[in-house]
Amino acid sequence: GEDVEQSLFLSVREGDSSVINCTYTDSSSTYLYWYKQEPGAGLQLLTYIFSNMDMKQDQRLTVLLNKKDKHLSLRIADTQTGDSAIYFCAEKRRESSGDKLTFGTGTRLAVRP
Amino acid sequence: GEEVAQTPKHLVRGEGQKAKLYCAPIKGHSYVFWYQQVLKNEFKFLISFQNENVFDETGMPKERFSAKCLPNSPCSLEIQATKLEDSAVYFCASSQRGATSNQPQHFGDGTRLSIL
Repeated sequence: GEDVEQSLFLSVREGDSSVINCTYTDSSSTYLYWYKQEPGAGLQLLTYIFSNMDMKQDQRLTVLLNKKDKHLSLRIADTQTGDSAIYFCAEKRRESSGDKLTFGTGTRLAVRP
Repeated sequence: GEEVAQTPKHLVRGEGQKAKLYCAPIKGHSYVFWYQQVLKNEFKFLISFQNENVFDETGMPKERFSAKCLPNSPCSLEIQATKLEDSAVYFCASSQRGATSNQPQHFGDGTRLSIL
């Protein structure tokens, strides 16, 4: 989506941490999500954060939200080859017309052995 | 069911033919969403339903596209007189609640539509 931007590609070595970044423009976002898409597959919900939170941790995943800068990041600790996929951030806006998601452009994560 | 079920997985149509895609939301979810993912991974919102009622159709093309969610039936997305540009993966998602809820959208595996 044109209002949610991500870098296109990230390459990390197995065992290192990965940090995937996302910037958004709409300050009315209520929730922000991270989805994972493996080749030929659907979207798997990884985690989400409410807009009044700064951080959320869930096992190897850490989400950081800087609402002032409209910046969201996903950190994957101890990255494994199975983490290779495209990662999408998405925002849900407080709009009267409903709670459709606006997706970022996706970041392809490649994990090197 | 516990997952969003989309059928068929792949659909091939000649240009000008009709295409119909189906989605069974997770049991108990009252919101259904359709998105189109084109070649550059871009997601485009098409339409959402609250039960059988259209909730938001701001993303639906004015012509050729229609969708329904009828009681006791899978939801459907139908494209009349398909064009090459309709080739995409169509995702369905469902959730329990609306905009101010923390209930996330759960996605199906998608239907890959190829127009020849």
